[in-house]
Amino acid sequence: EVQLVESGGGLVQPGRSLRLSCVASGFTFDDYAMHWVRQAPGRGLEWVSGISWHSGTMGYADSVKGRFTISRDNAKNSLYLQMNSLRSEDTAFYFCAKDFRDRLAGIDYWGQGSLVTVSS
Amino acid sequence: DIQMTQSPSSLSASVGDRVTITCQASQDIRELLNWYQQKPGKAPKLLIYDVSNLESGVPSRFSGSGSGTDFSFTISSLQPEDIATYFCQHYDNLRLTFGGGTKVEIK
Repeated sequence: EVQLVESGGGLVQPGRSLRLSCVASGFTFDDYAMHWVRQAPGRGLEWVSGISWHSGTMGYADSVKGRFTISRDNAKNSLYLQMNSLRSEDTAFYFCAKDFRDRLAGIDYWGQGSLVTVSS
Repeated sequence: DIQMTQSPSSLSASVGDRVTITCQASQDIRELLNWYQQKPGKAPKLLIYDVSNLESGVPSRFSGSGSGTDFSFTISSLQPEDIATYFCQHYDNLRLTFGGGTKVEIK
């Protein structure tokens, strides 16, 4: 059974940093690309960032480019999102998600989400 | 950047009705399009990938079609368990782009 477990969310002040982590199990982690997708309460889905199986390709939404950094550690079956210079509009549930291919294509499994609240 | 415009934003239909949702891309995206279903309080679920391929275990009443800039998603006979929000999603080498979503309700 595929499991994606996020951690690291919480309340943070504007301008500060936060690092999300995701531990994966139930599949061969280094065979697949991975993503972070966020959803503000009552809103639609916003793709944040994705990384290919071997970290050769990393993509970012324009809204986070230059502030967020995605990374993965295949030896630890883990995905990360370093979020710097946080803004109130970054407040959302952040989902760790597994791609169905080794490159950025689409998502077949999602974590339960980690809430990030940016507020003073 | 490619924009994905989904319509309608919401719809209400009766059980057994045929329901169609459209997704328009701001430029030709070939067949790089997926569809998801999200029920309240749940993570999204992949229904269709690459325009028309049904994900394993997804009922055959769901289908997708289109190419280029215009795509559609159809529920051939709406069931009560289909109440959800549906999203289209485009992909290229560097990003995923979601449509705004269509909320489907029972009349």
